[in-house]
Order: sequence, then C-alpha cells, then structure tokens
Amino acid sequence: DQQVKQNSPSLSVQEGRISILNCDYTNSMFDYFLWYKKYPAEGPTFLISISSIKDKNEDGRFTVFLNKSAKHLSLHIVPSQPGDSAVYFCAINDMRFGAGTRLTVKP
Amino acid sequence: SAVISQKPSRDICQRGTSLTIQCQVDSQVTMMFWYRQQPGQSLTLIATANQGSEATYESGFVIDKFPISRPNLTFSTLTVSNMSPEDSSIYLCSGSGPVEQFFGPGTRLTVL
Repeated sequence: DQQVKQNSPSLSVQEGRISILNCDYTNSMFDYFLWYKKYPAEGPTFLISISSIKDKNEDGRFTVFLNKSAKHLSLHIVPSQPGDSAVYFCAINDMRFGAGTRLTVKP
Repeated sequence: SAVISQKPSRDICQRGTSLTIQCQVDSQVTMMFWYRQQPGQSLTLIATANQGSEATYESGFVIDKFPISRPNLTFSTLTVSNMSPEDSSIYLCSGSGPVEQFFGPGTRLTVL
C-alpha cells in the first residue's frame, strides 16, 4: 500500500529555469506534507513543508503547492541552480516517503 | 534543529554475522526512527525507537532481525542480525522536530 507516489524517477532542467517535482498521495488524513533533499552519502535534509489547511507555502526559491482535491503535491524551484541537483523526496507526517525524484540542474 | 551522528559510516560484513549501528542526537528529541534505503529505492521505516521500552516495528520488520534499543532521549542502536546479502542497504536514523525529521548521514552496509 504505497501511500505516497513520485512517478518521475528523474528530471533534468537547465540552470535558471523552473524545476517542478510532483507527488501524489492516496490518503487525505494527514496534517503535513514535507519535501526533503538528499545528496549522495548524506542523510535527507528537510526542505519545506505545507500544512493540509493551506494550498501554498513559499520559502525563497522553493514553493510547495497542495491540491487537496487532486491529492497532489508539487515543489517548484525557481530559478534552479546546479547546487539543487539532488534526490528529492516527498513525505507525509506519518513518516512515509515517496520513491524520490533525482533532479539534475545543468549549467 | 538537531544534529545526528551515526557509527559506523559504512561496513562490509560476512553473511550470518550481526552489526550494531549507533545513533547519537545532540539534543533531546521526542521520537527517534530507523529507516532503510535499499539501492534505488525510497526510505522505508523500520521502526520507532521508544525510550525505555520495546520499539514499534512496521509491517515486514521484526524484533528478532532488527533489535533496537533506546536507553535515553539522545541515543539509540539498531542491530542487523544474522545478515544476508539482501540486508545490504543504507540504514538511517532520524529524530523528530516539531514537523520535520532530522536525519543522520546513514550507515552503508554491504553483506558478502
């Protein structure tokens, strides 16, 4: 029973453009949705979260959108930078993670 | 925020042996967790480490295979018992913040 799905295993964008990472979930009974970033040989680090009562949360270059009717979550990074190249995981607050999307930002 | 360290960072072990991974948090956290990340896959929650009592295991994980201790609020251990090559994975511990989790750097285990 995979409650969090990231259907795109990888994404490649040009530096300066927008990166959009997507996540779908199956159960509506959660308080928070979170995005984590993971570099090789490191543990995941928290990036941004959104409460289930909101539809948007912004922090600098990172914005998370929540579409509750579609049970869809997206992370927008703009402008994308080469240092953003990492694996991004979405997660729900009962500690379940999506499969991850590997983002590559090309200079 | 919390800073989490793990020991060892990596190990290569023989089939049938056991390895204990240590996790230290620099501040008190309410909850600590252990995850496994197999090659090319997501993070899978193994168990919640409870202070002073038995860990709470997720479906598919059992105490005999993955005994966990948490003697205080800042320290926990995970043992991978009677290892087989299928146990080759990255093992991560985490501590809970108000909303997010803080992760250790992971222990890369290879079982031959």
